[in-house]
Amino acid sequence: AQSVSQHNHHVILSEAASLELGCNYSYGGTVNLFWYVQYPGQHLQLLLKYFSGDPLVKGIKGFEAEFIKSKFSFNLRKPSVQWSDTAEYFCAVNTDKLIFGTGTRLQVFP
Amino acid sequence: DAGVIQSPRHEVTEMGQEVTLRCKPISGHDYLFWYRQTMMRGLELLIYFNNNVPIDDSGMPEDRFSAKMPNASFSTLKIQPSEPRDSAVYFCASSRQGWNYEQYFGPGTRLTVT
Repeated sequence: AQSVSQHNHHVILSEAASLELGCNYSYGGTVNLFWYVQYPGQHLQLLLKYFSGDPLVKGIKGFEAEFIKSKFSFNLRKPSVQWSDTAEYFCAVNTDKLIFGTGTRLQVFP
Repeated sequence: DAGVIQSPRHEVTEMGQEVTLRCKPISGHDYLFWYRQTMMRGLELLIYFNNNVPIDDSGMPEDRFSAKMPNASFSTLKIQPSEPRDSAVYFCASSRQGWNYEQYFGPGTRLTVT
C-alpha cells in the first residue's frame, strides 16, 4: 500500500536557522506531491505542490521543496526560519487519493 | 468566499450518544472530503464525495460512522453510538476537481467523547 513517511516528528530551531523536513513516499508510479501547513489553532493550508516540470518548487512564505524521483523524496526547506513558522507540517502524496504523512511539529524560538 | 465552514467547532458528548458534524464546502467545488486527525494516526481520509455521490468510504472505521451529502452545499458525518476512541479533530475539505487540485480545509470540529 502507498505510504508517506515523515521521519522528523518534532523539530526545534532558533530563528534564522535553516530548515529541512524530510518526506519519503512509497509508490512507483506518477505522483503529485504536496506540503500543507497547520498553524496553531488553524486549519490546514497548502504550502506548495509539485505536479510536473522543475523538481524544485517554490511555495509561499519562502518555503521550497525538491522532488527527487530516484529517492522517492520531497523534502521541504527554508533557508531562514521565523518564529511565525511555528506550526505542524504535513507532506501528502496523491496517487488515487491523497495520503498524508503523520506530520512534523516545528517549534521556532526567538 | 467564506471558505469551508464546519459546525460545531467543539463537541463534547457522552459515550453512546449520537454526534452529527456538519460541513458546507466552497461553492463550485465538486469534491468533498472528510478527514480525522489524531495524535496516534495523523490525518486519515474517512470518505469523499464527487458531485454529492460517495466515491470511496473505505476509510470509515466502522458501521457506527455514516456520511451523507444531500446537496452540493451540505454534508454531514454522523457517529452513532459514539465511543471515547472517536475523540479526534474531524476536518472537512473541498476541491474543484479532485485529487490533483488543492484541497481547502475547514477549521475542523474537535470531538471529545467521555
